[in-house]
Amino acid sequence: AQRVTQPEKLLSVFKGAPVELKCNYSYSGSPELFWYVQYSRQRLQLLLRHISRESIKGFTADLNKGETSFHLKKPFAQEEDSAMYYCALKSGAQKLVFGQGTRLTINP
Amino acid sequence: KAGVTQTPRYLIKTRGQQVTLSCSPISGHRSVSWYQQTPGQGLQFLFEYFSETQRNKGNFPGRFSGRQFSNSRSEMNVSTLELGDSALYLCASSLTASDGYTFGSGTRLTVV
Repeated sequence: AQRVTQPEKLLSVFKGAPVELKCNYSYSGSPELFWYVQYSRQRLQLLLRHISRESIKGFTADLNKGETSFHLKKPFAQEEDSAMYYCALKSGAQKLVFGQGTRLTINP
Repeated sequence: KAGVTQTPRYLIKTRGQQVTLSCSPISGHRSVSWYQQTPGQGLQFLFEYFSETQRNKGNFPGRFSGRQFSNSRSEMNVSTLELGDSALYLCASSLTASDGYTFGSGTRLTVV
């Protein structure tokens, strides 16, 4: 069965500190992984996907197949990073399986 | 270009009624998916359509159904509404199988 686990429901860090949002997945095939972000009163939007190996808004995420993880990282948090973050796995069935989300709060 | 458009934004219905929600994908996107978002269950997959065919269905009862039209617009229908159907229903569209999905703002359904 496909499963995405985000172990932290809430994460609070100070501005300028490093941020790491954890995501672990369970999938027997070759996974496609995504991070989505939802800012207050805005729609869910794609932040980044592992196949692009890109950095968006200073965030990066590396797929670690050995540890079945896709953690989201940013070296220096900014106040505008406060949002709800969802890790998602796309299976071969063309559906997204979401984690429960992590609410990130950046303190000034 | 216009994003994914969902109508209506808000709905209040009574138990036992039925409801139809609409989604217009980004122009050119042929894959449309629906998700239910609740505080308790998070984001759950309902179904996915491509070229008017349902390709995948999530673990929801048969009261939940959908369809896609030739212009890729999609509708989902929920019959015999229950209080537990109160949720934010999100539609998402994708250009290709390897793209991430673009989500709409959702329709917030309240069943009373």
